[in-house]
Order: sequence, then structure tokens, then C-alpha cells
Amino acid sequence: EVQLVESGGGLVQPGASLKLSCVASGFTFSDYWMSWVRQTPGKTMEWIGDIKYDGSDTNYAPSLKNRFTISRDSAKSTLYLQMSNVRSEDTATYYCTRDGGSSIDYWGQGVMVTVSS
Amino acid sequence: DIVMTQSPSSLAVSAGETVTINCKSSRSLLSSGNQKNYLAWYQQKPGQSPKLLIYLASTRESGVPDRFIGSGSGTDFTLTISSVQAEDLADYYCQQHYSYPLTFGSGTKLEIK
Repeated sequence: EVQLVESGGGLVQPGASLKLSCVASGFTFSDYWMSWVRQTPGKTMEWIGDIKYDGSDTNYAPSLKNRFTISRDSAKSTLYLQMSNVRSEDTATYYCTRDGGSSIDYWGQGVMVTVSS
Repeated sequence: DIVMTQSPSSLAVSAGETVTINCKSSRSLLSSGNQKNYLAWYQQKPGQSPKLLIYLASTRESGVPDRFIGSGSGTDFTLTISSVQAEDLADYYCQQHYSYPLTFGSGTKLEIK
């Protein structure tokens, strides 16, 4: 059974940094592109970016490229999202997802990030 | 960026009725290489994470009931739910997987009367 379990969320002050993690299981992690998607409190879905199965390539939403970095550790079957200089508009539920090639075929349970002073 | 315009934003139907949700992309999602449309539909039930229903515009994900039907090509797509059940109460999203950045529709909230 495919499982994606996120962690690292919480309350963070504007301007701070935060790193989210996602432990994957139930499939060969190093065979898949992986991505992060966030959902705002108003339920808007926004794709953040993805990373190639071997970590050699990444793609980002242009509006987030300068502040967010996606990485992975295949030895730990773990995906990461480094967020820097966070803003109130980054408040959202962050989902770790698996890319099935023509769709996002699995989603984690999500982790909440609240940016507030 | 490809803009995904989804409608309606919400609808309420009685169990047993048929529902149609529309999704329009600002550019064609049809790949000239393999003639496939890179459009997916997701269902998000209250308090849960999204779940893949349909990919490549009309291919049902394993385990998805056959009352969920995806159709369309190019820029216009439809999700039809025939004989809606109470368990279909959810938000539905379309998403293009054709080009970066991947983008989603604004969602359709389905309520059961």
C-alpha cells in the first residue's frame, strides 16, 4: 500500500524558514517523480514543484521558485520541501504527492503550515 | 501558465440524479505525439486528501466506480457522475498534467439534497 506521511508543519513567523518532510513507503521511491501541492484555507489548489526520481532535475511554480526548494533522499525514501522567507499567503495544507506520469496518483494526508506573528 | 476554468463552483442534487462538471483549459491538453489528453479529475471528501478519479481525460483509476465518467478533448472536458450517491459528497477538481507549471481548476462542491 502506497503511503506518504508528511511532517514538519506548524505555526511559523513571517520571514522564517521551515522544512517539511515526507516519508514514502509501499513503492520504489527512486522510480518516481515526486511533487508538493498546497491547498489554501479557501481550498485553492496550487502545485509547488516536483523533483525527478534521481533528484537530478526540479521544476517549480514561477511564483515560488525563489523561496521554495524541493529535495529528496532515496536512502531514506524521503521528500523534502524547504520554505524560506515565509509569508502569510503561504498558510496552507501542504501535500506530498507521487507523480504517476499523467496525473498525481497518490496524495499524503497533508500537513498544515500557518504563518502568523 | 495554462488556466483551468471549472464550473459550476457548487451544485446540489438528489441521490440518483446525474451531475455534470465542466473544465475548460486555456490551451489544448492534447499531445500531438500520442493523441492523449493530459487532464485529470480528483475527488476530495470532507476532511480527506484528494483522490485520483480519472486520468488522461477518460481513464478511470482502479477501484473508481463506473458511475464516474470523464470525457472531452483539446480544451473542453467533463466529469459526469451518474446516479449520484450520498457518498459522492465532495469537492471535485480538474488538473492539467500537460505542461509546467501544473495547474488546477478552482473546484466544484457537490452537495446532496
